[in-house]
Amino acid sequence: GNSVTQMEGPVTLSEEAFLTINCTYTATGYPSLFWYVQYPGEGLQLLLKATKADDKGSNKGFEATYRKETTSFHLEKGSVQVSDSAVYFCALRGRNAGGTSYGKLTFGQGTILTVHP
Amino acid sequence: EPEVTQTPSHQVTQMGQEVILRCVPISNHLYFYWYRQILGQKVEFLVSFYNNEISEKSEIFDDQFSVERPDGSNFTLKIRSTKLEDSAMYFCASSQLRLAGGPRNTQYFGPGTRLTVL
Repeated sequence: GNSVTQMEGPVTLSEEAFLTINCTYTATGYPSLFWYVQYPGEGLQLLLKATKADDKGSNKGFEATYRKETTSFHLEKGSVQVSDSAVYFCALRGRNAGGTSYGKLTFGQGTILTVHP
Repeated sequence: EPEVTQTPSHQVTQMGQEVILRCVPISNHLYFYWYRQILGQKVEFLVSFYNNEISEKSEIFDDQFSVERPDGSNFTLKIRSTKLEDSAMYFCASSQLRLAGGPRNTQYFGPGTRLTVL
């Protein structure tokens, strides 16, 4: 079955530091890949996505590239801010060779990011 | 911006009691989902719902669980006889159907209901 593995957290950084959160996946077919973010007291929000190999998703200074050869979708940001403190979830949605998308999302365990001033 | 809402934000119940968790999906969305997250564990898929029927469910979604769209706006998850291990955060999500078919669009999540079973 499909699975997603994220780096263990929590991650604590100083403001303006470089961020990497690793995510690797196991899936049959050609999944779509996502990063969701959960701010305190709020629901999961889509941060970025990529639907095919070598696609780069980007949003709010965050980037992730769909690497099929390494089955990875690592999240990066060049300079984090205090407001980026949140829980980050990597997820995939499966798709078969015929392109049919299966609706359910499979999530990683989440990585807590804390950014200090 | 439209959003998914969930009520209540926190539900405390006794083991063996029935609970109903409520969600109001985004109004023009046609696919609905429930996920749960036990404290410290992954967010897990429970069920997806389209056209008034379940389209997919996980092994977690046993006979104790049911979903319903009782009217044009609400989407509910019922747990008939709660167990201690049902304590978790429950997330509702919805997505819009594309013309090409299939739930390919972004899933928008609600803020969750924290269920505590004593």
